[in-house]
Amino acid sequence: DTAVSQTPKYLVTQMGNDKSIKCEQNLGHDTMYWYKQDSKKFLKIMFSYNNKELIINETVPNRFSPKSPDKAHLNLHINSLELGDSAVYFCASSQGVGGRSVGGYTFGSGTRLTVV
Amino acid sequence: GQQVMQIPQYQHVQEGEDFTTYCNSSTTLSNIQWYKQRPGGHPVFLIQLVKSGEVKKQKRLTFQFGEAKKNSSLHITATQTTDVGTYFCAGFRGSTLGRLYFGRGTQLTVWP
Repeated sequence: DTAVSQTPKYLVTQMGNDKSIKCEQNLGHDTMYWYKQDSKKFLKIMFSYNNKELIINETVPNRFSPKSPDKAHLNLHINSLELGDSAVYFCASSQGVGGRSVGGYTFGSGTRLTVV
Repeated sequence: GQQVMQIPQYQHVQEGEDFTTYCNSSTTLSNIQWYKQRPGGHPVFLIQLVKSGEVKKQKRLTFQFGEAKKNSSLHITATQTTDVGTYFCAGFRGSTLGRLYFGRGTQLTVWP
């Protein structure tokens, strides 16, 4: 069983389209995250939810909207996609928030988004 | 701005050589975590250091947390081709509501 699963794994789409990425964790963790990894491998936090409550909302264009229907799921919807949105998006989960997490973060396998 | 600095950005070694990556923060960290990301893969949690001066070992990997809790290092003894990947440190400052600041990573290449 995959601990943190995200779909789709690859996403190629045209500029201006709207797309969603889904994430689910079966670890019973109470906190979930979205990270963006650029071509230089930099991992940048975008959003974090703790027990369905948004606790981190970094400086991200409001074209990005996260949704957490329950603590096992965290989705990311992106409107009006731009070329600069091309990156790998990782979902992650942890028990406890951020650096207080017990056992660190568990990352999903990533969604490689390519905007053409 | 970047909260945790990590060097070097790239390191190429011959199999059997040692490797070290360093993390530095301008402010005191509550704890630091280390992750490994294989090429094409996702980051995988390796370890967390909490105490000042703490040293932990995992087989050929040695992790250190500085006395002032502002720096950390990961040392790999006698690298193997399976060590290839990007190693990230991630620092936590207790006052920042859960933000874990990732360093930019060190990409390790090991030549056979």
